[in-house]
Amino acid sequence: GQQVQQSPASLVLQEGENAELQCNFSTSLNSMQWFYQRPEGSLVSLFYNPSGTKQSGRLTSTTVIKERRSSLHISSSQITDSGTYLCAPPYGGSGNKLIFGTGTLLSVKP
Amino acid sequence: EAAVTQSPRSKVAVTGGKVTLSCHQTNNHDYMYWYRQDTGHGLRLIHYSYVADSTEKGDIPDGYKASRPSQENFSLILELASLSQTAVYFCASSPGLEQFFGPGTRLTVL
Repeated sequence: GQQVQQSPASLVLQEGENAELQCNFSTSLNSMQWFYQRPEGSLVSLFYNPSGTKQSGRLTSTTVIKERRSSLHISSSQITDSGTYLCAPPYGGSGNKLIFGTGTLLSVKP
Repeated sequence: EAAVTQSPRSKVAVTGGKVTLSCHQTNNHDYMYWYRQDTGHGLRLIHYSYVADSTEKGDIPDGYKASRPSQENFSLILELASLSQTAVYFCASSPGLEQFFGPGTRLTVL
């Protein structure tokens, strides 16, 4: 079945460093949604990205459909960026059902 | 941004008991979803719905029922709760592409 691979599984940064998170999908891809899960558990949608590059503040998402991959770049990391980053491509044709990766756990240290 | 609320936010249930988790959205989205998240895992789709009075099975529907009595409301029902259903449950709504998530319900079955 479909699989979503995220890397790295965990990452520790010093405040101010940049990070590149990767997401690869095993079958055809037509878009990607990125989420941030706060340490207390709530989910925030960061990007819905059907293709190309999107930027929001210090975050940049790049999706390459034909290569079945997407990346999330975090620049000038802050302590408040700590948490889990999840990618989720839609699958199954109708209904826009999402399949989730297991996430990248990011810890930003002062 | 879609406003999705869930109730209760946490619940302790006994094995064999009935549990109902409720979800309410206020942005007129057609699609609604129920996911579960287990510690250290990504989210998995339980049930979803395109339209009121209709529900569809997701990837892990066994042991769960869903009800969509109106466009705004989507319930997840555990008729006979089991220990293995201890998890965090998320509801989401979507206009058809990007999904927006509620805050989650932490369910503990004892």
